[in-house]
Amino acid sequence: EDKVVQSPLSLVVHEGDTVTLNCSYEVTNFRSLLWYKQEKKAPTFLFMLTSSGIEKKSGRLSSILDKKELFSILNITATQTGDSAVYLCAGIYGNKLVFGAGTILRVKS
Amino acid sequence: IAGITQAPTSQILAAGRRMTLRCTQDMRHNAMYWYRQDLGLGLRLIHYSNTAGTTGKGEVPDGYSVSRANTDDFPLTLASAVPSQTSVYFCASSATGGASYGYTFGSGTRLTVV
Repeated sequence: EDKVVQSPLSLVVHEGDTVTLNCSYEVTNFRSLLWYKQEKKAPTFLFMLTSSGIEKKSGRLSSILDKKELFSILNITATQTGDSAVYLCAGIYGNKLVFGAGTILRVKS
Repeated sequence: IAGITQAPTSQILAAGRRMTLRCTQDMRHNAMYWYRQDLGLGLRLIHYSNTAGTTGKGEVPDGYSVSRANTDDFPLTLASAVPSQTSVYFCASSATGGASYGYTFGSGTRLTVV
């Protein structure tokens, strides 16, 4: 069964801290891995990772994929209260996504 | 509109009643999906459609049905709602083959079955 596992399930940090969110996957016919940020409503797209070892970066967020070890990490540096959200990781197999349960991040001021 | 529109935004429904959640997209995406989101379980795929006229079952299809009469609309029907179907429902779409830049999600429908 295709599975995506995220850790930790929740995390509380202070503003300015750096956090690393983990995502491991077992996905048949794996194509790509996606990271989403979900605040109040719909998940919003962060990164799509297809190639191993190539870091993708957007401001204070970065992510990398390891296709040999079947995991990805999402790093957030200099965290801000606006980073508080649920972060979702999903693997693409065929034309469908398999989601992890998410990591709840709370950034305290 | 630009993107995906879901309706209603929230609903309280008596058990045993029939309910259709609406989803419309204006991006001409071929593929559409319905997910439910429950605390601790993430997003789980209910049904999907790779193109107009075709549908398929996802991870948790029981108690739900879908149709795809055209490219834009992908309604989800609960024939006889049960309390375990209380959840937040998200509709999503992607271009053919999922090769687009991520998937686009609607804002969700919060459904409470009592």
